[in-house]
Amino acid sequence: DIQMTQSPSSLSASVGDRVTMTCRASQGISNFLAWFQQKPGKAPKSLIYAASNLQIGVPSKFSGSGSGTNFTLTISSLQPEDFATYYCQQYNSYPFTFGPGTKVDIK
Amino acid sequence: EVQLLESGGGLVQPGGSLRLSCAASGFSFSNSGMSWVRQAPGKGLEWVSIISSSGGHTFYADSVKGRFTISRDNSKNTLYLQLNSLRADDTAVYFCGKGGNMDVWGKGTTVTVSS
Repeated sequence: DIQMTQSPSSLSASVGDRVTMTCRASQGISNFLAWFQQKPGKAPKSLIYAASNLQIGVPSKFSGSGSGTNFTLTISSLQPEDFATYYCQQYNSYPFTFGPGTKVDIK
Repeated sequence: EVQLLESGGGLVQPGGSLRLSCAASGFSFSNSGMSWVRQAPGKGLEWVSIISSSGGHTFYADSVKGRFTISRDNSKNTLYLQLNSLRADDTAVYFCGKGGNMDVWGKGTTVTVSS
């Protein structure tokens, strides 16, 4: 099975900060990587698919990059509604797997 | 509007069974693979299962293989997950999602396994 790791596990940031988090796969997954945002008590929301493609309706402050085993999610200017937990998921091979998440909270 | 709505969760004793449903609307259900993902209390997301658009191909996480069965009824735009031989560690919110990359999620249904 492909193991996904995310770093950092948590980060504290201020409104307006540029934030970057990483996701690594234990073996190459090409660009079959998705990013999700989850707020407490809510269902996850899809942000990015195929490593760098924004879902319809997702603001352009979110961006994704990477291929193979190393990926990043960047939020260009953090806003209050962005404080949440972010998960990556590989969908290159079964079983699909999620990373453990990066929690972004207010500094 | 694309929408997924799960139902069927509840409290069940260890060893018991439940069938979860996911009603889909607003997109071509019969042309979409569908997935189940769960989240135990206070934990991260765990991928559970996926089914192809026709229902002919299914895959499972090792943790549920042999106990859970994914299926679909394209005439009813509904996805199912049959949960058998339930254990305490199956306690979670179960989400259905569109596609392997889960571009749309339902709100989830809660399964609690406890005596």
